[in-house]
Amino acid sequence: GENVEQHPSTLSVQEGDSAVIKCTYSDSASNYFPWYKQELGKRPQLIIDIRSNVGEKKDQRIAVTLNKTAKHFSLHITETQPEDSAVYFCAAKRGFQKLVFGTGTRLLVSP
Amino acid sequence: DTEVTQTPKHLVMGMTNKKSLKCEQHMGHRAMYWYKQKAKKPPELMFVYSYEKLSINESVPSRFSPECPNSSLLNLHLHALQPEDSALYLCASSSTPGRKEDQPQHFGDGTRLSIL
Repeated sequence: GENVEQHPSTLSVQEGDSAVIKCTYSDSASNYFPWYKQELGKRPQLIIDIRSNVGEKKDQRIAVTLNKTAKHFSLHITETQPEDSAVYFCAAKRGFQKLVFGTGTRLLVSP
Repeated sequence: DTEVTQTPKHLVMGMTNKKSLKCEQHMGHRAMYWYKQKAKKPPELMFVYSYEKLSINESVPSRFSPECPNSSLLNLHLHALQPEDSALYLCASSSTPGRKEDQPQHFGDGTRLSIL
């Protein structure tokens, strides 16, 4: 089955810096890759997703890149703000299989 | 505003109690999910309902019993739970299963369950 590894487990940046979180997946047939943000005590919230027929997708300060050959995808957050502080989960899915989550990255943005 | 509504938000129950968690969505989604999330861990899939039929059961103990009465509602019946079952229980939904392109899963706020 699919296995998703996520790094780093914690990431501390200064406000205004960029943050990058990386995930690798094992199943080359996986074709859907969402990213979720989860604030303390809150629900996981979908922030961006990408499908395997696309190499990059941007939404304001957030972007995701996908390298199918290397089987990895990354979340890029530019101009970070304190409200970006949260746990971020990547995930991968193939067809009708279940969504497999990474282990999460705790992002702390200091003012 | 969350479009997937879960009740109750918090639940404390003894190991001999019977209780139910409820999830509701009015987005016309036909796939609904139950996840369990322990602290500092990712969500862990328990069950998937597709067109009101159970399609995935991730070998969940029988003390957890899901039910999908209609396309908008999903219940999780709890009986004789163990202390290790204490966790955040999340419901999610996504639009028409079986479509060529995967559709995003949207989560509710969850029910925080504590077993005494």
